[in-house]
Amino acid sequence: GENVEQHPSTLSVQEGDSAVIKCTYSDSASNYFPWYKQELGKRPQLIIDIRSNVGEKKDQRIAVTLNKTAKHFSLHITETQPEDSAVYFCARSHMNRDDKIIFGKGTRLHILP
Amino acid sequence: GAGVSQSPSNKVTEKGKDVELRCDPISGHTALYWYRQRLGQGLEFLIYFQGNSAPDKSGLPSDRFSAERTGESVSTLTIQRTQQEDSAVYLCASSFRGGPNSEQFFGPGTRLTVL
Repeated sequence: GENVEQHPSTLSVQEGDSAVIKCTYSDSASNYFPWYKQELGKRPQLIIDIRSNVGEKKDQRIAVTLNKTAKHFSLHITETQPEDSAVYFCARSHMNRDDKIIFGKGTRLHILP
Repeated sequence: GAGVSQSPSNKVTEKGKDVELRCDPISGHTALYWYRQRLGQGLEFLIYFQGNSAPDKSGLPSDRFSAERTGESVSTLTIQRTQQEDSAVYLCASSFRGGPNSEQFFGPGTRLTVL
């Protein structure tokens, strides 16, 4: 199907520890995988994305890995801080077609003091 | 440049009334999406417009929901005979398909409350 499965739905980590959120998909034609962060009461915003021609991408404390063979991708947040508390959505699409972007159901991340 | 805008920001209506929500996408963005987000829930896809292609309406929950888009500009989402379960934040997003960056830019949303 076209859905993206996202796990876990809720995640609590101690401040300073790492957080990992995983997503799986079934459409092997997918080649664009963005991650969005939605803080409480705000709109979702893109935080990082990866295209299928690379296996990993990093931006400061955030990294995304992609395994095209296994059809899964993950978001890694290191040295978590209170401002990382939010809902995170993974998504997939095919950049060169008119396919709509498909979102996962989201992961609520709580950073514990 | 302005981002995606939506109006109204808040709408309170009585059950059974019709409502119309508006989205102004970023100029030049060919793709436009509507989502519904209930409190504490994820992004529920409603409808997708891409250029001159027929819209993907597969997410509309019932025939009370409809949406239109004028060319590659403004879109309106209409909910007829509103029900209490329609209460949610309705988010619009736009993106430029075909470019090297297909980032979706979300509007601030319209919070709909059906009494």
